Amino acid sequence: EAGVAQSPRYKIIEKRQSVAFWCNPISGHATLYWYQQILGQGPKLLIQFQNNGVVDDSQLPKDRFSAERLKGVDSTLKIQPAKLEDSAVYLCASSPTQGNTIYFGEGSWLTVV
Amino acid sequence: AQSVTQPDIHITVSEGASLELRCNYSYGATPYLFWYVQSPGQGLQLLLKYFSGDTLVQGIKGFEAEFKRSQSSFNLRKPSVHWSDAAEYFCAVGASGQNFVFGPGTRLSVLP
Repeated sequence: EAGVAQSPRYKIIEKRQSVAFWCNPISGHATLYWYQQILGQGPKLLIQFQNNGVVDDSQLPKDRFSAERLKGVDSTLKIQPAKLEDSAVYLCASSPTQGNTIYFGEGSWLTVV
Repeated sequence: AQSVTQPDIHITVSEGASLELRCNYSYGATPYLFWYVQSPGQGLQLLLKYFSGDTLVQGIKGFEAEFKRSQSSFNLRKPSVHWSDAAEYFCAVGASGQNFVFGPGTRLSVLP
């Protein structure tokens, strides 16, 4: 069974530029998550989708971050404009249902210079 | 609100020695408990999970964890550490219909 796919794996951008990350969850998983992991810290939930609806985006900096999950499958996370403190790993994850085991992708590493 | 603490930021053990990583949680009901491992440059991989039943759970790579309700703990153990076990370990707590909360992680170094 294919795991969670993410791209790009690595991205370096200048501050104030924009960037987008793509995620394809495990087939059949209704719940999709985007986490931000800053170096040396645990993952922090940015947004959670149940099918194509947003369940929790309370920690998403909505002035610069946006995410969508069209058709309830793939998802895109966008940052515009990027700040230096956005340098982090952006982890996409999926689970069959909320609260069930979460399966992570390998992450998209963002460096903002 | 759910919370997870991992008291040890960094642990160093010798190869072949036993290992115990501590995890304490705060949650009102019976939680779902998880341990994940993250190797450098990689995503998080599930080691083991506890939903209910036997409080001693076995995971991959020879790891096990014990759920102790009275102590609100879910410590991870391995009888003999291998050099390839060097990584970051995260404890997480969740529940049906609830989001996960991750601990800050414990970095494990293994001496040859």
